[in-house]
Amino acid sequence: NAGVTQTPKFQVLKTGQSMTLQCAQDMNHEYMSWYRQDPGMGLRLIHYSVGAGITDQGEVPNGYNVSRSTTEDFPLRLLSAAPSQTSVYFCASSYSGSGTQYFGPGTRLLVL
Amino acid sequence: KNQVEQSPQSLIILEGKNCTLQCNYTVSPFSNLRWYKQDTGRGPVSLTIMTFSENTKSNGRYTATLDADTKQSSLHITASQLSDSASYICVVRAQTGANNLFFGTGTRLTVIP
Repeated sequence: NAGVTQTPKFQVLKTGQSMTLQCAQDMNHEYMSWYRQDPGMGLRLIHYSVGAGITDQGEVPNGYNVSRSTTEDFPLRLLSAAPSQTSVYFCASSYSGSGTQYFGPGTRLLVL
Repeated sequence: KNQVEQSPQSLIILEGKNCTLQCNYTVSPFSNLRWYKQDTGRGPVSLTIMTFSENTKSNGRYTATLDADTKQSSLHITASQLSDSASYICVVRAQTGANNLFFGTGTRLTVIP
């Protein structure tokens, strides 16, 4: 049981480049979320999904897209990277909307 | 406005000592409160969950308290160990709303030998 996995662990992008952050979970959780964590700020919700085929925006969705074609995978796409998107990104999953969230190890992204 | 505030921002203690971290919130209507531990370079891991009717809950050397009337919670760490060095994040869930999780900015605890 690997829990929540994220790839890559580190990434450097140039402004304007696009990329996809991968997230997978093997706990059969319906709920999955993407957060970003910046110094001095709490975790902020980017997008979330309550099940395959269903996604919705969080607090800071601009510049990011998501899709949920399977229960296991929830990729986050940066359409055109900007320096303001330099951050640590965490994917999380939970069995239900009110259940304990299990976080992945994070992806550190630097946009130059 | 729903907010979660934690204090202190950072704390340094000697190994073996006790410490208490604070969390004040304005989230309403309240559903539950969780404390997470986040080691450097890792994702947060849940320590405890407190619901409205619970005043105290322990998880090993970690004891969380909740006063729902004053909207305050604390996390007490007993006999600290070097491995307790981490950030501790308070997360409050509201009963309603699609985006109903509110995160504190965390307390950075450093335990020194």
